[in-house]
Order: sequence, then structure tokens, then C-alpha cells
Amino acid sequence: QVQLQESGPGLVKPSETLSLTCAVSGYSISSGYYWGWIRQPPGKGLEWIGSIHHSGSTYSNPSLKSRVTISVDTSKNQFSLKLSSVTAADTAVYYCARLAVVPETKFDYWGQGTLVTVSS
Amino acid sequence: EIVLTQSPGTLSLSPGERATLSCRASQSVSSSYLAWYQQKPGQAPRLLIYGASSRATGIPDRFSGSGSGTDFTLTISRLEPEDFAVYYCQQYANSGTFGQGTKLEIK
Repeated sequence: QVQLQESGPGLVKPSETLSLTCAVSGYSISSGYYWGWIRQPPGKGLEWIGSIHHSGSTYSNPSLKSRVTISVDTSKNQFSLKLSSVTAADTAVYYCARLAVVPETKFDYWGQGTLVTVSS
Repeated sequence: EIVLTQSPGTLSLSPGERATLSCRASQSVSSSYLAWYQQKPGQAPRLLIYGASSRATGIPDRFSGSGSGTDFTLTISRLEPEDFAVYYCQQYANSGTFGQGTKLEIK
């Protein structure tokens, strides 16, 4: 059974960098698939942030691309998100998920999510 | 960027009724790239439908998806109490977008 678990600070100050890690169990990241980050501001809808392949190739939401860095550590079987220069608008529940792209695209396994609040 | 517009924003129905949720894309989307998710309060989204019409593992057959091009539909044939939730469509070509969601509430 594939499981994902987000971790990181729940409170980040404005202008600083948000850093989250997603630990994967039950599946080796090196075996394939893409791995993604999605967020959801309180009371609002879902927003795709970006995705990474185990090889390191990444895709990011154009609206966030200049601030997003996604990396993978296959030795620890985890991947990470860094979002720089955060503001209150970045307050959200952040989810990590496994992304299948062939033959159909789907986020088939999700973490439980972690709330990150941007506040001084 | 492909924009997905879901309608209605809120749908009020009773258990046992049929629900029809719409997702319209701003440009044509391959059916292979269209998925639907269900989200209940305090929970992560759950994959329901992928490839526009294939049910994910463990999803009851009262859920069905259809459509092509720019118009896609999620149908719940007979609503059960546990089906009242928020539903999102999503497309992922080389980047992804979600619709704004449809809230399915008990009438």
C-alpha cells in the first residue's frame, strides 16, 4: 500500500521560504511515476503547484514557477518543495501525491495534507 | 493554460436522486488527461474517475464519467448519504489545472 506523509513547519514568516518534505512508503520513487505538490487555501479549491520525475525533471505551475523548487532524494525515498518569498496568500493545506502519466494522468495516492500558515 | 469551469457551483439533491456535474475546458483536452476527485471536509481528495470514464479502484459503479473534447460529465446514478461532498475535475497534460469544484449538498 502506497503511503505519503508531508512534514515541515506549520508557520512561516512573510518573505521567507516554505519548505516541505513528502516521505513515500510502500513504493520506491526510483521505480517510476511522477510526484506532485498540490495546495488548498482555507475554504477554497485545489491548485497544482508542480511535479517531479525520479530522474529529476520538473514541471511547475506557471503562476508559481519563479518561486518553486521541487527536488527528489531517491536514497531517502522522499521529495521536497521549496516556495520562496511567501505571503499570506500562500497560507494553505499542502498535499503531496503520486502522479501517474501513462496511459492516463491521475493523482492516485495522496498524503493527508499539512497546514502551513504564513504570518509574522 | 487550460481553464476548467465546473457547474453548478452548488447542487442540492436528496439521497436516491441522480446527480450530474459538468466540467468545461477552455480548450480541447485529451480524455486521457481528465480525472475527477471527491473531497470530504478535513480529508485529502480521493481519485474517482480517470481517463474521463474509468473508475478508480474501489469506486462504486454508481459513479460514472463521460465526455470528450471540452465537455466532461460526472454522474452519480443514485445518491448515497456518503456521496455528499465537493467534486473537482482536473486535467494534466504537461501541467495541471483543477476546476473550482462543485459542492454536492443534501436538500
